[in-house]
Amino acid sequence: ETGVTQTPRHLVMGMTNKKSLKCEQHLGHNAMYWYKQSAKKPLELMFVYNFKEQTENNSVPSRFSPECPNSSHLFLHLHTLQPEDSALYLCASSQDMTLRSTIYFGEGSWLTVV
Amino acid sequence: AQSVTQLGSHVSVSEGALVLLRCNYSSSVPPYLFWYVQYPNQGLQLLLKYTSAATLVKGINGFEAEFKKSETSFHLTKPSAHMSDAAEYFCAVSPSSGSARQLTFGSGTQLTVLP
Repeated sequence: ETGVTQTPRHLVMGMTNKKSLKCEQHLGHNAMYWYKQSAKKPLELMFVYNFKEQTENNSVPSRFSPECPNSSHLFLHLHTLQPEDSALYLCASSQDMTLRSTIYFGEGSWLTVV
Repeated sequence: AQSVTQLGSHVSVSEGALVLLRCNYSSSVPPYLFWYVQYPNQGLQLLLKYTSAATLVKGINGFEAEFKKSETSFHLTKPSAHMSDAAEYFCAVSPSSGSARQLTFGSGTQLTVLP
């Protein structure tokens, strides 16, 4: 039990599909993150939410759309993705945005775009 | 701007041998440095972090790392490898005055432990 739960763990979708990834944290944290992990590449920060407000969008294509309805839940809505979007998507949370707060990661959602 | 270089994408050691995973960083300001571990089919877990206190940092599972400013390094070590240490290890850097959004990760080092 990591405290950060992601569903689904595996997702295969066509390029014209619409799907969503869900993340829930049970740690009472105020900051939540989406990262993309591709093989042999560094983790890429995609989005950051602090107290439900989006504070970061690292030039992510609009086919990825985040939603944070409350401080415990974070979604990543996916639409008309490309095969190069296939990757492991990691959700994470921390008490606050300071570096002294440990970032806790979920187990990730493996996305395959066909 | 900051960056991290992890030397060696794959490292193999025998069980009981010393583990040494290399990390060099580049930062124009004093850094904070981190090591994370990712076990198969799991997310990343913090092993240890340097936040400008002691230069020798001890983490979980017997790992430690030493911050060497003159060498711009933060290598991860463990005296005796165990089979359960097989995982991917990520070094990360951030400016000490920054926030979590400025955390920059390396490409990772896959550690294999041979029986």
